[in-house]
Amino acid sequence: DTEVTQTPKHLVMGMTNKKSLKCEQHMGHRAMYWYKQKAKKPPELMFVYSYEKLSINESVPSRFSPECPNSSLLNLHLHALQPEDSALYLCASSQTTSGNYEQYFGPGTRLTVT
Amino acid sequence: KQEVTQIPAALSVPEGENLVLNCSFTDSAIYNLQWFRQDPGKGLTSLLLIQSSQREQTSGRLNASLDKSSGRSTLYIAASQPGDSATYLCAVIDPRTGNQFYFGTGTSLTVIP
Repeated sequence: DTEVTQTPKHLVMGMTNKKSLKCEQHMGHRAMYWYKQKAKKPPELMFVYSYEKLSINESVPSRFSPECPNSSLLNLHLHALQPEDSALYLCASSQTTSGNYEQYFGPGTRLTVT
Repeated sequence: KQEVTQIPAALSVPEGENLVLNCSFTDSAIYNLQWFRQDPGKGLTSLLLIQSSQREQTSGRLNASLDKSSGRSTLYIAASQPGDSATYLCAVIDPRTGNQFYFGTGTSLTVIP
């Protein structure tokens, strides 16, 4: 099973709402990632978790809060977002972050902030 | 910082043509290079992974080559089909920056029936 799943597929939220994005993989991977992708642009790295510890935070605003409850799950908690945060949010996983690795991506969550 | 560019940004070809997509990176010290396909509004599907010690990889009608010394990779698609229409992204792993993934700018491919 080489699948990364993400829920929900679509999310519309107001600027005062609190919501969460979820990501799950059952490949035994120990690294998980959140990316943000705007239309017609490549994905931008937001966070990297390695062995359930946050290893990279690419200066993401605090209104985005990641959480890795266990090695299979990754959440992204959203609070007080801005309309410019509307984008496709992609989750990915890999065996490790050391040396040669291949990333597997989920289908994404299309987020619209109104 | 590693910079990855893809040329052309967009490409339109008639069905059945063979085509080449290009990916260039600024620093040859990479661990591997991965090619992805992305359909509109969807996630990324991995097509081919070339490790730094390899020169090419093949999967079906796809062939990817890697020339680290010149900082280039090409993705060759044989006998293109309308279902190949998508955006193609390359990405490299740079060991100098904590093994981060650097994505290219993408090539949007349209195959006309």
